[in-house]
Amino acid sequence: DSGVTQTPKHLITATGQRVTLRCSPRSGDLSVYWYQQSLDQGLQFLIQYYNGEERAKGNILERFSAQQFPDLHSELNLSSLELGDSALYFCASSVAADDNQPQHFGDGTRLSIL
Amino acid sequence: GENVEQHPSTLSVQEGDSAVIKCTYSDSASNYFPWYKQELGKRPQLIIDIRSNVGEKKDQRIAVTLNKTAKHFSLHITETQPEDSAVYFCAANRIGGFKTIFGAGTRLFVKA
Repeated sequence: DSGVTQTPKHLITATGQRVTLRCSPRSGDLSVYWYQQSLDQGLQFLIQYYNGEERAKGNILERFSAQQFPDLHSELNLSSLELGDSALYFCASSVAADDNQPQHFGDGTRLSIL
Repeated sequence: GENVEQHPSTLSVQEGDSAVIKCTYSDSASNYFPWYKQELGKRPQLIIDIRSNVGEKKDQRIAVTLNKTAKHFSLHITETQPEDSAVYFCAANRIGGFKTIFGAGTRLFVKA
């Protein structure tokens, strides 16, 4: 158990819909990262937050947005969903903002778009 | 831009043999290099990491070497076992950097 909690584990929805994925970091971790992993693909970095503020952006689509709340949990919002958004979405957390620490991954949310 | 190249993409070895996975990074300011193992359908897990002030680090059957001059680092797994079968990702970070750059992954098969 990494200490990072992601909900829900599975999500099935239709094209055009909007979903919210939730992540609670490990106790004491201030940084949260979001990654997208399509079938048999690598980890695509989406976005990072540190202590409530956005710190780095990767290949995140404009239809996607995220935030980190005062209690440090984070939500990833995906809207106008397309078939290609079907993927495993991982959240990871680390202690620091400068990324020179190990990241601890949650078990992921598997999103299926029908 | 920043980039991490990882080779090979697939590696098949016989149980008991050694496996080596190599990564090359582009940002010379990189100073932290973690390796993650991802079993099928599961989350990536850190297995070993190395910082730029050392050239090698070992943990039982796993070792990582770093060549800062050549900007490459490698994962070595000795006496491989079937449970070592997984996808392995290398990554690179730099001081003050907020983004981890991951390699594309190596799928390791260990045949019993």
